[in-house]
Amino acid sequence: GQQLNQSPQSMFIQEGEDVSMNCTSSSIFNTWLWYKQDPGEGPVLLIALYKAGELTSNGRLTAQFGITRKDSFLNISASIPSDVGIYFCAGNSGNTGKLIFGQGTTLQVKP
Amino acid sequence: AAGVIQSPRHLIKEKRETATLKCYPIPRHDTVYWYQQGPGQDPQFLISFYEKMQSDKGSIPDRFSAQQFSDYHSELNMSSLELGDSALYFCASSLVRGYEQYFGPGTRLTVT
Repeated sequence: GQQLNQSPQSMFIQEGEDVSMNCTSSSIFNTWLWYKQDPGEGPVLLIALYKAGELTSNGRLTAQFGITRKDSFLNISASIPSDVGIYFCAGNSGNTGKLIFGQGTTLQVKP
Repeated sequence: AAGVIQSPRHLIKEKRETATLKCYPIPRHDTVYWYQQGPGQDPQFLISFYEKMQSDKGSIPDRFSAQQFSDYHSELNMSSLELGDSALYFCASSLVRGYEQYFGPGTRLTVT
């Protein structure tokens, strides 16, 4: 079945540093979504992307929908301690909305 | 802003028992999705409903069933529970199929 490869698996950075993570797939996706999840909580939607090449920002977060429609990246600038959590990419290739998730990137920020 | 509501938040059951999880989507959202997330895993799609009709089906065991009611809330029924069913179960809703999905806080099911 469809799979999303998300990297890196984990990151440990200093407060104030920029962070970049990405997802790639062998299949084409129509929609890319980025979520943040805290332990035991539901994923929180950060950014939604709908068009190939689209670049969207949400505060310190920036994400892009790859031109081939097979990849996406998320950047976080000037990280702060509350950025700690697990970041998931998710893609939708059909018209039913079913999401395929990446394996997640665990981010830790050292104050 | 209103969010997705799930109940109960925690549920402990024994093997072979049944469980019912409830989901109340964001008002005016017509599509509901169910996902299962095991420890350290990413969410896995189970099933979705659009306008009260089953829309898509993923890796949902035959022991599980779900439906969406006239008020758009949804219930996931799980029978003959197994230890491996212990997981977080999330419901998500969207205004339009294929677009932004908003997740609820989840139900943590523990099967002993």
